[in-house]
Amino acid sequence: EIVLTQSPGTLSLSPGERATLSCRASQSVSSSYLAWYQQKAGQAPRLLIYGASSRATGIPDRFSGSGSGTDFTLTISRLEAEDFAVYYCQQYGSSLPITFGQGTRLEIK
Amino acid sequence: QVQLVESGGDVVQPGRSLRLSCVVSGVSGFTFSNYGMHWVRQAPGKGLEWVAVISSDGNNKYYADSVKGRFTISRDNSKNTLYLQMNSLRAEDTAVYSCAKDRHGSGWDYFDYWGQGTLVTVSS
Repeated sequence: EIVLTQSPGTLSLSPGERATLSCRASQSVSSSYLAWYQQKAGQAPRLLIYGASSRATGIPDRFSGSGSGTDFTLTISRLEAEDFAVYYCQQYGSSLPITFGQGTRLEIK
Repeated sequence: QVQLVESGGDVVQPGRSLRLSCVVSGVSGFTFSNYGMHWVRQAPGKGLEWVAVISSDGNNKYYADSVKGRFTISRDNSKNTLYLQMNSLRAEDTAVYSCAKDRHGSGWDYFDYWGQGTLVTVSS
């Protein structure tokens, strides 16, 4: 099983600042089968990024993903009020189980 | 756009059973039977845990070790509905259970749509 470790656990920033969220895998994620989701309280998760760096439909270009192998990053270039939420990375590689990171809470400073 | 609505969550005693449902609807042209479907759960205050996946035709099913042998995923493509039959429930199964649509029909991929979930509480 691939274990995903997200850091930091909580990130406190102000609107307009840049956010950098990390996701590290215990072994290489095949073909960059890595996705990022945003979840707000009481809402379903929303797909942001798939294939490590491809933005999902309708996702603003201030969200970007990068990385390969075992190290992946989600960057939000300029934070807006609606971006404060919990973010999860997920690997959906060639073998099960599909696994998620424990989440990074992005809160307003 | 695709909408997923779960139901069936309840408070149940340990050892009992429960069946969850997930009705999927979409804009004209959306075909439920073209896509694999997943169940994912989130225990109170915890992160996301993948539970099971079923292929578009229902012939292939895979489970997390934590539920294997106790839970069964199934679907009725004529009703655009996904199910999760949960038997021998344990306290550690307490969670919000969400269904999620896979991008593909066979195998597995990322989840492009999720439901909001239904709460299952296992307690005596």
